[in-house]
Amino acid sequence: NAGVMQNPRHLVRRRGQEARLRCSPMKGHSHVYWYRQLPEEGLKFMVYLQKENIIDESGMPKERFSAEFPKEGPSILRIQQVVRGDSAAYFCASSPPSKETQYFGPGTRLLVL
Amino acid sequence: GQQLNQSPQSMFIQEGEDVSMNCTSSSIFNTWLWYKQDPGEGPVLLIALYKAGELTSNGRLTAQFGITRKDSFLNISASIPSDVGIYFCAGPSGGTSYGKLTFGQGTILTVHP
Repeated sequence: NAGVMQNPRHLVRRRGQEARLRCSPMKGHSHVYWYRQLPEEGLKFMVYLQKENIIDESGMPKERFSAEFPKEGPSILRIQQVVRGDSAAYFCASSPPSKETQYFGPGTRLLVL
Repeated sequence: GQQLNQSPQSMFIQEGEDVSMNCTSSSIFNTWLWYKQDPGEGPVLLIALYKAGELTSNGRLTAQFGITRKDSFLNISASIPSDVGIYFCAGPSGGTSYGKLTFGQGTILTVHP
């Protein structure tokens, strides 16, 4: 049973470019969460999605960030017009319906030059 | 918002020693999760606690869900070099049992052979 998969593992972008981060949840999991981790800090919640629905986006910056979890395919976290402050590790987690336990992927490390 | 405070921030121990770390909150959590993160990787779930007073073991790891539901501790017995990493406590926010997780700031564990 494959775990949560994220790609790419590392992503380098120049300021102003777009970054697309992908997450495939564990088989049978219909809930996806995105978190951001700055160096030497804990993870901070960004957004919680189910298939075709955003359940909670209270941790998402109001501008430039968006997330989706389509009926088919992976969940996508999209960052438009990246700035240096967006450099961080972005983790995706998944869980079965109404279950407290979230399982994390290996993360995408975004570096904005 | 809810916050989780972990202590100590870092620990330096000799191989074979026991380790204890804890996590406290000013508000109630219905679930406590303990994760370990290795450098360059995502958090891996170690132990999940769902009931106040619950004591759960996973090999050399033991964790307890505090009776007040505002704290939890994690013990590691007979530490080995591969225990090195960052340990995070986490719990679902807002008094719910699932959804977005709030993370502590982590305890960095170093084990000297």
